[in-house]
Amino acid sequence: EAGVAQSPRYKIIEKRQSVAFWCNPISGHATLYWYQQILGQGPKLLIQFQNNGVVDDSQLPKDRFSAERLKGVDSTLKIQPAKLEDSAVYLCASSFGIGDTQYFGPGTRLTVL
Amino acid sequence: TQLLEQSPQFLSIQEGENLTVYCNSSSVFSSLQWYRQEPGEGPVLLVTVVTGGEVKKLKRLTFQFGDARKDSSLHITAAQPGDTGLYLCAGATNSNYQLIWGAGTKLIIKP
Repeated sequence: EAGVAQSPRYKIIEKRQSVAFWCNPISGHATLYWYQQILGQGPKLLIQFQNNGVVDDSQLPKDRFSAERLKGVDSTLKIQPAKLEDSAVYLCASSFGIGDTQYFGPGTRLTVL
Repeated sequence: TQLLEQSPQFLSIQEGENLTVYCNSSSVFSSLQWYRQEPGEGPVLLVTVVTGGEVKKLKRLTFQFGDARKDSSLHITAAQPGDTGLYLCAGATNSNYQLIWGAGTKLIIKP
């Protein structure tokens, strides 16, 4: 069974530029999560989708971050404009349903210069 | 605000030694999970504990959930270099099933 796919794996941009990350969850998983993991910290939930609807985006900085899961399968997370403090690993995870085991992708390491 | 504190933050020991990692909170969790994360990878679930006082074993790893479901420990016996990684604990509540994450313990096992 294929795992959670993420791309790109690495991205380096300058501040004020925009960037987008892509995630393809495990087939059949209705719930999709985007996390931000800053070096030395645990993952922080940015947004949670159930199919194509948003369950929780309370910690998403909506002035610069946006995410969508239009067809309820793959998802994109966008940052525009990026700030230095956005440098982190962005993890995508999926689960069969809410409360079920989460399976994580390899993450995208973002460096903002 | 629910918080999970992990200790120690960093541990470097020789192969063959034993170690314990702790995960503590003032909040009660319905379940607690332990993950291992290797460089360049996402966290991988090791175990979920759900009952106060529960002990689960995974080969040389022993996980315990506190009686009050506020804390947990991970004990590794005879550590191997392959155990090297970042160990994360995450607690879930019944309210929304979202995970509250600790900051992790970075473990290095030297051959």
